[in-house]
Amino acid sequence: AQSVTQLDSQVPVFEEAPVELRCNYSSSVSVYLFWYVQYPNQGLQLLLKYLSGSTLVKGINGFEAEFNKSQTSFHLRKPSVHISDTAEYFCAVSGRGGGADGLTFGKGTHLIIQP
Amino acid sequence: EPEVTQTPSHQVTQMGQEVILRCVPISNHLYFYWYRQILGQKVEFLVSFYNNEISEKSEIFDDQFSVERPDGSNFTLKIRSTKLEDSAMYFCASRRDRMDRTGELFFGEGSRLTVL
Repeated sequence: AQSVTQLDSQVPVFEEAPVELRCNYSSSVSVYLFWYVQYPNQGLQLLLKYLSGSTLVKGINGFEAEFNKSQTSFHLRKPSVHISDTAEYFCAVSGRGGGADGLTFGKGTHLIIQP
Repeated sequence: EPEVTQTPSHQVTQMGQEVILRCVPISNHLYFYWYRQILGQKVEFLVSFYNNEISEKSEIFDDQFSVERPDGSNFTLKIRSTKLEDSAMYFCASRRDRMDRTGELFFGEGSRLTVL
């Protein structure tokens, strides 16, 4: 079984400040890792993903995330946020083994950008 | 840009009624999914569908739920007799390749179901 923990339900940040959204996972198999963003009244959009290779992955809108296997983490970062980054951010995992092809999501972190 | 489309965007129904939520996945995709998000909670996996059959389902996906791909384009979720706790946003998603290739699920904008 897999699980995803997003420690912060809400993160307020001033515009142009850096931000880190935390994600930890647990799994009995190797995983693929994802961050999705949900803007108000919209569906889920992929920000970035880690499948293999370099542990630092870059995504859209200036976001990046680092896979840390020893800490079972996949924290999302952006060096300077914009008001348009206000949204709900979901971390998700998918197991490589056992035939499980669905995504397991965390509870989400609401990023609030303050002017 | 191709996208996953869902209808209706919002449906209100009485408890005990049957509901069908419709999805049109991206045309060359092979794997299809339904997820739900109860208000204020996390997005939960319901079911995956490949090669015209269910490949995986969660414990949420009980006998009240069914999925179908009635033609070459639509992918439907049916709830046979809705309960109050079925009120949620339901997301359809599709994927082209195996997870270890593109790894990306494309999501629709969701269908909000309200059961009274």
